Amino acid sequence: ETGVTQTPRHLVMGMTNKKSLKCEQHLGHNAMYWYKQSAKKPLELMFVYNFKEQTENNSVPSRFSPECPNSSHLFLHLHTLQPEDSALYLCASSQELANWSTDTQYFGPGTRLTVL
Amino acid sequence: LAKTTQPISMDSYEGQEVNITCSHNNIATNDYITWYQQFPSQGPRFIIQGYKTKVTNEVASLFIPADRKSSTLSLPRVSLSDTAVYYCLVGALSGSARQLTFGSGTQLTVLP
Repeated sequence: ETGVTQTPRHLVMGMTNKKSLKCEQHLGHNAMYWYKQSAKKPLELMFVYNFKEQTENNSVPSRFSPECPNSSHLFLHLHTLQPEDSALYLCASSQELANWSTDTQYFGPGTRLTVL
Repeated sequence: LAKTTQPISMDSYEGQEVNITCSHNNIATNDYITWYQQFPSQGPRFIIQGYKTKVTNEVASLFIPADRKSSTLSLPRVSLSDTAVYYCLVGALSGSARQLTFGSGTQLTVLP
């Protein structure tokens, strides 16, 4: 148990559906992250939030829309996804981004997403 | 973008010492090197972090040469439960945006 929870753990959706992934951290951290992990590929950083403000968007398609209402919660809204978006989506948190290179990230268990 | 390079896979036997090396030629002056471990269907878990020379904790050691262009994760006396993917993480500058870069990961398989 890392203190970071993600729901749902598994999600199957059609290309026309709209769904949301939820992440919650109970560690008192101020930075939160979304990563995508596809089969046989490195972890890809998607979005970064620090004190609820988005600081990074790594050229992620607009069909992925993040939301960070407070420092403990992070959402990833999904719409009109493609089959190639099927992957494990991981949420992480860390203390803050003041010096993020030394800041340990704590990962949730991930949401396994399948787009049909 | 900074790039890290690790071996794709390694095999070892129980009780042996395992060394996994990561190359990170574009590491920035103030960046640390962090290693994570990931089991199937789980998020990565922090193992160890260092800046230079040697760092040791209860599960691993990290060796970093003076030029910091590489690092070596050392796992002493591995067991079957150490079978996992190991990632090398460095922060690196890319234009005006800082990027965190995970390596491709090394699949370590510990055999009985």
